[in-house]
Amino acid sequence: AQSVTQLDSHVSVSEGTPVLLRCNYSSSYSPSLFWYVQHPNKGLQLLLKYTSAATLVKGINGFEAEFKKSETSFHLTKPSAHMSDAAEYFCVVQSGGYNKLIFGAGTRLAVHP
Amino acid sequence: ETGVTQSPTHLIKTRGQQVTLRCSSQSGHNTVSWYQQALGQGPQFIFQYYREEENGRGNFPPRFSGLQFPNYSSELNVNALELDDSALYLCASRAAGQGPYNEQFFGPGTRLTVL
Repeated sequence: AQSVTQLDSHVSVSEGTPVLLRCNYSSSYSPSLFWYVQHPNKGLQLLLKYTSAATLVKGINGFEAEFKKSETSFHLTKPSAHMSDAAEYFCVVQSGGYNKLIFGAGTRLAVHP
Repeated sequence: ETGVTQSPTHLIKTRGQQVTLRCSSQSGHNTVSWYQQALGQGPQFIFQYYREEENGRGNFPPRFSGLQFPNYSSELNVNALELDDSALYLCASRAAGQGPYNEQFFGPGTRLTVL
């Protein structure tokens, strides 16, 4: 069975400092992995996806993630946090022949001035 | 905005009642999935519809059912509501047949409260 574990439920950073949101995955075969962001009262938005091409994936709004098979990790990073980055972030693995998404529990990112 | 719309935005029901939630897919998308997001948790897959047929289901009881219409819009029906059904219900659409990794686009959700 496939699953993802987000290692931090809350992360707090100062504006302008780096962001690191951690995710480990479990999969019996090469996974498709995603990061989604959810702002209050907004739908989920895809930040980036890994689909067995380049291991370093660049997404929107300056985010990127690196797929590390040896560590079964897919951590999300951003060099410099902005106030608008404050939101809930979900690490997601795609599973099954009908492409259902399996979400982690989420990491709430707070950005302080 | 993704082009996926859901109605209503909020709903309050009492235990034992039935509810219908609606989703309008993004133009050109033929597949719709429904997810339940309980407070403080990640979304959980309920089921998926493709060409008006359910073709995948998560770990939800039969009182959760759905429909997909010829215009690819969709409904989620929940019978015999329980308190634990209180959650944000998300609809996602995609265009199946354009590769296995095509993006799912999510609507803003319907917040259901069961009293």
